[in-house]
Amino acid sequence: QVHLVESGGGVVQPGGSLRLSCAASGFTFRDFGMHWVRHVPGKGLEWVASIRHDGSHKNYADSVKGRFTISRDNFKSTLYLQMNSLGGEDTAVFYCAKEIGTGPTNFFYYYMDVWGKGTTVTVSS
Amino acid sequence: QSALTQEASVSGTVGQMVTLSCTGNSNNIGSYGVGWYQQISHGVPKTVMFGNSLPSGIPDRFSGSQSGTTASLTISGLQPEDEADYYCSTWDYSLTAWVFGGGTKLTVL
Repeated sequence: QVHLVESGGGVVQPGGSLRLSCAASGFTFRDFGMHWVRHVPGKGLEWVASIRHDGSHKNYADSVKGRFTISRDNFKSTLYLQMNSLGGEDTAVFYCAKEIGTGPTNFFYYYMDVWGKGTTVTVSS
Repeated sequence: QSALTQEASVSGTVGQMVTLSCTGNSNNIGSYGVGWYQQISHGVPKTVMFGNSLPSGIPDRFSGSQSGTTASLTISGLQPEDEADYYCSTWDYSLTAWVFGGGTKLTVL
C-alpha cells in the first residue's frame, strides 16, 4: 500500500528556514514524479513544486520561486522541500503527493494520486 | 485569482445528482486531463477522479468528463459523506505550473 509521511514542519520566525521531508513506501519511488501542495487555513489548495521521477526537471509556483527548492533521494525514497526566507503567507499545511500518469495513447496525462497526511508550517514571530 | 474557475458552493439532497464544473482555457484544461480532489473538513486531500478514470476505492457514483476548456465532476446518488470541498487541477503549459481551482464547497442537505 502506498504510504507518504511528511515531517519537518514547525514554528519558524519570519525570514527563517525549514526543510520538509516526505518518506515514501509501498511503491517504486524512483519511477514517479512527486509534488508539494499546501493548504492555507481558510483558503484553497495551492501547488508549490514538482519534480520528475529522476530529479531532472523541477517546477515551482511563482509564489515560492527563488525561495523554495524541491529535491529527492531515490535511494532513500524521500522527497524534500527546502524553504528559505519564510513569510507569514507561507503558513500552511504542506502535503506531498505522488504523481500518476494514465490514459490512452493520445490522452496520456499526469495527475496527483496519493497524498500524505501533511505537516504544518507556522511562520510567526 | 485561480487559473481554473469553480463554483463557490453547490448543494444537493441525499440521493440527488450534482455536477461540479471547472473552467479553464486552452493552455490548461483544453490540453490536459483534469484531476479532482476531495477535502473533507480541511483534512487530507483525496483523489476522486483522474480524467474520467476512477481511482481504486472511489465509489462509482463519481464520474468525470471534459469538453473543450471545461471539466465536470458528477456525483450521482449523493451521500452525506460526500459533503466536502472539491478542487480541480491540471497542468498549465503557458504558466509552466500546476494550477488548482478555488474549490467548490459541496453541502449535502
